[in-house]
Amino acid sequence: DAGVIQSPRHEVTEMGQEVTLRCKPISGHDYLFWYRQTMMRGLELLIYFNNNVPIDDSGMPEDRFSAKMPNASFSTLKIQPSEPRDSAVYFCASSGRQGLPYEQYFGPGTRLTVT
Amino acid sequence: GNSVTQMEGPVTLSEEAFLTINCTYTATGYPSLFWYVQYPGEGLQLLLKATKADDKGSNKGFEATYRKETTSFHLEKGSVQVSDSAVYFCALSDKGGTSYGKLTFGQGTILTVHP
Repeated sequence: DAGVIQSPRHEVTEMGQEVTLRCKPISGHDYLFWYRQTMMRGLELLIYFNNNVPIDDSGMPEDRFSAKMPNASFSTLKIQPSEPRDSAVYFCASSGRQGLPYEQYFGPGTRLTVT
Repeated sequence: GNSVTQMEGPVTLSEEAFLTINCTYTATGYPSLFWYVQYPGEGLQLLLKATKADDKGSNKGFEATYRKETTSFHLEKGSVQVSDSAVYFCALSDKGGTSYGKLTFGQGTILTVHP
């Protein structure tokens, strides 16, 4: 299995630009999670989906952030417009009831730098 | 709500020393408990788990026992190696309700092992 795939691995953009992060979960998994990691705030859950439906988006910082999951094999996290404080590593993770209970498999992350 | 508290870091040890990283939790139900590890530049990966009281999770020489009476899940290893240098996260997952499938993470503990 290829694991959770994220793209791009690194993204450098200027303040005000739109940023789109992409995630392909493990085939057969029905949960997908987006996290943000910074030194100051640690690991934060932004949003998660079950069967492509958003379940909890209470961690999304503000309206500049949006996430979609149009099908079981693809999700995006969009930031528009981006700000320097959005600089962080963004992780996607997936899990499924068929696997170890509640075990989440993390992707390698996207390191976002907003200048 | 649910919460996880880990001992303050960073932790610095010499090779072959004994490791303990404390973790306590607060949960309304009967959660499953996990330790995840994050190596430099990578995403988190599951290290070990325990799904009910008195269960002991173990992997790669690491162990943790689910103690319901003290609401703890401390991570231990008898002899650490340089390759164990990483960030360690304690986490819990409720088994039902609206937060099904969601993990609550501690703040992470940085471990550095010197030769």
